[in-house]
Amino acid sequence: GENVEQHPSTLSVQEGDSAVIKCTYSDSASNYFPWYKQELGKRPQLIIDIRSNVGEKKDQRIAVTLNKTAKHFSLHITETQPEDSAVYFCAASSENAGNMLTFGGGTRLMVKP
Amino acid sequence: EAQVTQNPRYLITVTGKKLTVTCSQNMNHEYMSWYRQDPGLGLRQIYYSMNVEVTDKGDVPEGYKVSRKEKRNFPLILESPSPNQTSLYFCASSSARGNGYTFGSGTRLTVV
Repeated sequence: GENVEQHPSTLSVQEGDSAVIKCTYSDSASNYFPWYKQELGKRPQLIIDIRSNVGEKKDQRIAVTLNKTAKHFSLHITETQPEDSAVYFCAASSENAGNMLTFGGGTRLMVKP
Repeated sequence: EAQVTQNPRYLITVTGKKLTVTCSQNMNHEYMSWYRQDPGLGLRQIYYSMNVEVTDKGDVPEGYKVSRKEKRNFPLILESPSPNQTSLYFCASSSARGNGYTFGSGTRLTVV
């Protein structure tokens, strides 16, 4: 089955700096890659996603890039703010697995004012 | 409002006492899934369902049961809970096209 690895497990940045979180996946048939943000004590919420026919997608300060050859995708947050502090999860799914999501282990992002 | 509703939000129970955590979605989603979240272990899938009467095991199904008799409901059943099932549980749903999941608010279960 699919295996998703996420790095780093914790990331501390200064407010205004950029943050990058990286994930790799194992199933070459995976074609959908969402990112979730989970604030303390709350549910994971979808913040951005990308499909395998696209190499990059941007939404304001958040962008995701996908390298299908390397089976690697990344989340980029620019101009970080304290409210970006949360745990971020990447995930991957493929039609081979019934479109079920497999999650990475999570990255705790801390943005210091 | 489109949402996934889980109940209860918090539950403390004793070892061996059967319990059910309910999950309901109002988005007509085909896919529903249960995850447990433990510190340092991320989100691990327990069971999932691709449609009514279709369920399958995820990564950590031992000690759990599910049913999908109706499209909107996907209850999680612990027949004989044990302390190692103390965890935060999330139900989630998505459309058949494999879009991102919508998660419920979570159920924090403690088994003593």
